Amino acid sequence: DVKVTQSSRYLVKRTGEKVFLECVQDMDHENMFWYRQDPGLGLRLIYFSYDVKMKEKGDIPEGYSVSREKKERFSLILESASTNQTSMYLCASSSSPLLTRYDEQFFGPGTRLTVL
Amino acid sequence: ILNVEQSPQSLHVQEGDSTNFTCSFPSSNFYALHWYRWETAKSPEALFVMTLNGDEKKKGRISATLNTKEGYSYLYIKGSQPEDSATYLCALYRSGGSYIPTFGRGTSLIVHP
Repeated sequence: DVKVTQSSRYLVKRTGEKVFLECVQDMDHENMFWYRQDPGLGLRLIYFSYDVKMKEKGDIPEGYSVSREKKERFSLILESASTNQTSMYLCASSSSPLLTRYDEQFFGPGTRLTVL
Repeated sequence: ILNVEQSPQSLHVQEGDSTNFTCSFPSSNFYALHWYRWETAKSPEALFVMTLNGDEKKKGRISATLNTKEGYSYLYIKGSQPEDSATYLCALYRSGGSYIPTFGRGTSLIVHP
């Protein structure tokens, strides 16, 4: 079974702090994704990566950056956390080297981040 | 803004009932539609990837159909069980250069024993 793990289930940070959310997948998947989920909205893609050191912006990249130094690990960085970044963050991965839109995604359990 | 609408927003059924819900989307530039199940405190899990008009897919008691011309997909659950309680999400991919999916807000299903 594909396993996607996220470093924390719950996280509380203060406004202005630098926050790292870590995601690791163990199935040698090529592609990794960061989403956020807010009440009343569908999942929204923040950033994705199709290869080590490669990244692409999603729908809502503002206020975030990402890092993919190793294939299995994809980090989401909030340079200076703000209260409007309080949300559920989900990481996902998919296998196809062509980043096909047919590819199902495997999700982690989510990190619920609260910024005070 | 691309609207992917899921209805109903929530649904309560009794164990043994069959049920269905809808994902509606703009029919132009359709590429693929994904269905996911998201149980509380767990990870979203892929159910189906639908790509062709008229597609029907089945996994156990759950099945899905796709109509790309009119812009909708139905998800059916036959003989609902309490373990089917979850939020069901659909995600639309369009043709063209963008890889970014648009997710609906989900249908929350609660199956009462």
